[in-house]
Amino acid sequence: EVQLVESGGGLVQPGGSLRLSCAASGFPFNNENMNWVRQAPGKGLEWVSYISSSSSITHYADSVRGRFTVSRDNAKNSLYLQMDSLRVEDTAVYYCVTDYFVYWGQGTLVTVSS
Amino acid sequence: QAGLTQPPSVSKGLRQTVTLTCTGNNNNVGDEGAGWLQQHQGLPPKLLCHRNHSRPSGISEKFSTSRSGNIAYLTITGLQPEDEADYYCSAWDRSLRVVFFGGGTKLTVL
Repeated sequence: EVQLVESGGGLVQPGGSLRLSCAASGFPFNNENMNWVRQAPGKGLEWVSYISSSSSITHYADSVRGRFTVSRDNAKNSLYLQMDSLRVEDTAVYYCVTDYFVYWGQGTLVTVSS
Repeated sequence: QAGLTQPPSVSKGLRQTVTLTCTGNNNNVGDEGAGWLQQHQGLPPKLLCHRNHSRPSGISEKFSTSRSGNIAYLTITGLQPEDEADYYCSAWDRSLRVVFFGGGTKLTVL
């Protein structure tokens, strides 16, 4: 059974940093491209970032490029999202998602507020 | 115009058929098509159909997709109360090198 478990969310002040983690199991993680997708409260889905299976290719949404960094550790079956210079508008549930958006985690809530 | 456009809401009757639309451009929907996802309140989204129109394992045949030019379609037949949800399309944009989600369509089953 595929499982994606996000962690690391919480309350942070504007300008602060957070690192999200996603623990993957039930599939060959080292062969799977991965994504982060977020959803602000009461709003729609917004793609955040993509990383290829070997980490050689990364892509970012314009809204986070230069502030967020995606990475992975295939030995630990883990995906990460380093979020710096956080803004109020980054408040959202952040989902860890496999390639082509087939499998989703339950999400972790990030709240940016003073 | 960048991004994908979906109507905010659609209503249809029980056991009827509904077709939802997703409008993009030549660089996204018109290039490789769109995937479709369903999201019930309080739950993560679920993939209904890949952009190549295939369904993941376990997804009902009542969900089908098609495309004409820069518009992608999701058709749901035999509407049931459990089909009431938000539906999103998604597509890779080859020019901007980003993924777009549509704004979502809230489907109400009357």
